Amino acid sequence: KAGVTQTPRYLIKTRGQQVTLSCSPISGHRSVSWYQQTPGQGLQFLFEYFSETQRNKGNFPGRFSGRQFSNSRSEMNVSTLELGDSALYLCASSGGRYNEQFFGPGTRLTVL
Amino acid sequence: SQQGEEDPQALSIQEGENATMNCSYKTSINNLQWYRQNSGRGLVHLILIRSNEREKHSGRLRVTLDTSKKSSSLLITASRAADTASYFCATFSGGSNYKLTFGKGTLLTVNP
Repeated sequence: KAGVTQTPRYLIKTRGQQVTLSCSPISGHRSVSWYQQTPGQGLQFLFEYFSETQRNKGNFPGRFSGRQFSNSRSEMNVSTLELGDSALYLCASSGGRYNEQFFGPGTRLTVL
Repeated sequence: SQQGEEDPQALSIQEGENATMNCSYKTSINNLQWYRQNSGRGLVHLILIRSNEREKHSGRLRVTLDTSKKSSSLLITASRAADTASYFCATFSGGSNYKLTFGKGTLLTVNP
């Protein structure tokens, strides 16, 4: 099976802009989670979707949003970008009862 | 917030030696998972241990779990230069909480 794919791999934006990141899960996986990784805060949970419904949300401002489509592909959007949003954004998909997650390569977002 | 805390934060060993990393967590869990990350790339799932298990093996990896102490350890035997990476523990609480909560990781350097 193909792994989790994320596009784009790298993005450079300026403050105030918005960005959309995309994630395609492993075929058959219906749960998609998003994480933000920074040197200071480590890996932090953003949100999780299952069958187009957000089941969990982390402690991030409303500028961070996401959605999932009927084919389980997911997007996350960050509006009004701030310098602190520079991070590696990781998507993971899960298909098992124990929430074993499989990660994509990440999107490196740099906000200037 | 971080659930797990890995110890040590950094570990440097010679090829062929064993590497042991520890993880402590705060709340009850359904399972605990270990991941590896190479140089800012995506995370690779290594092993999952359920709360009713005490020890698990996978190749050169051995994981233990002590739920009474809320701690886990990851042992990599006969380490190789290719094992150089950051290692993270992540906890899954189960129920309606579908997120993984990660520790800050241990940076392992295996010197040839």
